[in-house]
Amino acid sequence: SQQGEEDPQALSIQEGENATMNCSYKTSINNLQWYRQNSGRGLVHLILIRSNEREKHSGRLRVTLDTSKKSSSLLITASRAADTASYFCATSYRSARQLTFGSGTQLTVLP
Amino acid sequence: NAGVMQNPRHLVRRRGQEARLRCSPMKGHSHVYWYRQLPEEGLKFMVYLQKENIIDESGMPKERFSAEFPKEGPSILRIQQVVRGDSAAYFCASHYQGNTEAFFGQGTRLTVV
Repeated sequence: SQQGEEDPQALSIQEGENATMNCSYKTSINNLQWYRQNSGRGLVHLILIRSNEREKHSGRLRVTLDTSKKSSSLLITASRAADTASYFCATSYRSARQLTFGSGTQLTVLP
Repeated sequence: NAGVMQNPRHLVRRRGQEARLRCSPMKGHSHVYWYRQLPEEGLKFMVYLQKENIIDESGMPKERFSAEFPKEGPSILRIQQVVRGDSAAYFCASHYQGNTEAFFGQGTRLTVV
């Protein structure tokens, strides 16, 4: 399976703490994207990192990509209750045209 | 520039009826994905379309499901003779030619009764 897999499946932290989610994948990618989904809503695009990039920042988000380990991590700093959502990684593989999603990490930020 | 628009947001169909789900991509976007999501699960790829062309339909069930993206108008996902197992949220996403950064609509929640 080429499907990316997020780890952990669920994460619960206190407001103000940092949250780290990981994503592993199987074969060579063009890029990797992170999305957020609030319960019952659509997906919001957070950040895209290309295969030749190692780190990218956007506000309180930091994404890293290690192509040798075929893994990516999403760090949310100074978390807020509003960050409570499911987070998905999606990979664009060189061998396929589709965007492949993992099963997600459910993040709960407690006030 | 409006985002990706999907309609209807909620659709209820009786078993055996047809369901038509519409997706209007962002302005200027030439490619559309369709995904299905069951409760508490991730998104499962269904089909990837360019205007007037199906690029990848490897995720589409062999029967009852079809998709199109005409030169003019929205992309349509059509499910014929719906069954209870078709109940799910269906999401579409669009992107520019040559750029795979995809933006999602709010989804259509199909309930088959």
